[in-house]
Amino acid sequence: DGGITQSPKYLFRKEGQNVTLSCEQNLNHDAMYWYRQDPGQGLRLIYYSQIVNDFQKGDIAEGYSVSREKKESFPLTVTSAQKNPTAFYLCASSIGWDTQYFGPGTRLTVL
Amino acid sequence: AQTVTQSQPEMSVQEAETVTLSCTYDTSESDYYLFWYKQPPSRQMILVIRQEAYKQQNATENRFSVNFQKAAKSFSLKISDSQLGDAAMYFCAYRSAYGYGGSQGNLIFGKGTKLSVKP
Repeated sequence: DGGITQSPKYLFRKEGQNVTLSCEQNLNHDAMYWYRQDPGQGLRLIYYSQIVNDFQKGDIAEGYSVSREKKESFPLTVTSAQKNPTAFYLCASSIGWDTQYFGPGTRLTVL
Repeated sequence: AQTVTQSQPEMSVQEAETVTLSCTYDTSESDYYLFWYKQPPSRQMILVIRQEAYKQQNATENRFSVNFQKAAKSFSLKISDSQLGDAAMYFCAYRSAYGYGGSQGNLIFGKGTKLSVKP
């Protein structure tokens, strides 16, 4: 089955810790994206990548980092510099600039 | 900057009835794409329908159709024969057809409308 997988589904972080959220796709899509969703809000773009080894900051990149070493994978690290990381994180992918398809999401909670 | 507004935080519809969700957007661009995404309780975002701004014909997808009014910058979603499985958050989203600093593909989302379906 082709699709986008995100792991873990739930993640708990202690104050001051870095955590990494996984996003993998087997759709052969070039582009991948990370979004953050807060209660009562739409999605806001954190980072995106159009090709391997290249990525761009979105609207709320501060406190986050990414890598794109493989076409299929686009992990997101939430660093200790992110002051309010508790949120729902969604990964998406697309063929070029075409329609984006989303993974199931990761719920991150800071303890 | 482009913005997307969904003025109805919550809507309710009786099963088998029709409901229309509203979306307006602000842009100075002439070419763009509009989307409706559904987010059920599982929280995965699912594409419902897509509309290209250069197409005058309204997009349809089974029980889902849109009323795209380009001059009014309006993009409403009509759900016919509503089913219990339609209950979800619905998000309207905009994407530019132009690239500025590589941001062409970035989606701009509204805050969503929560749709309840009564049996």
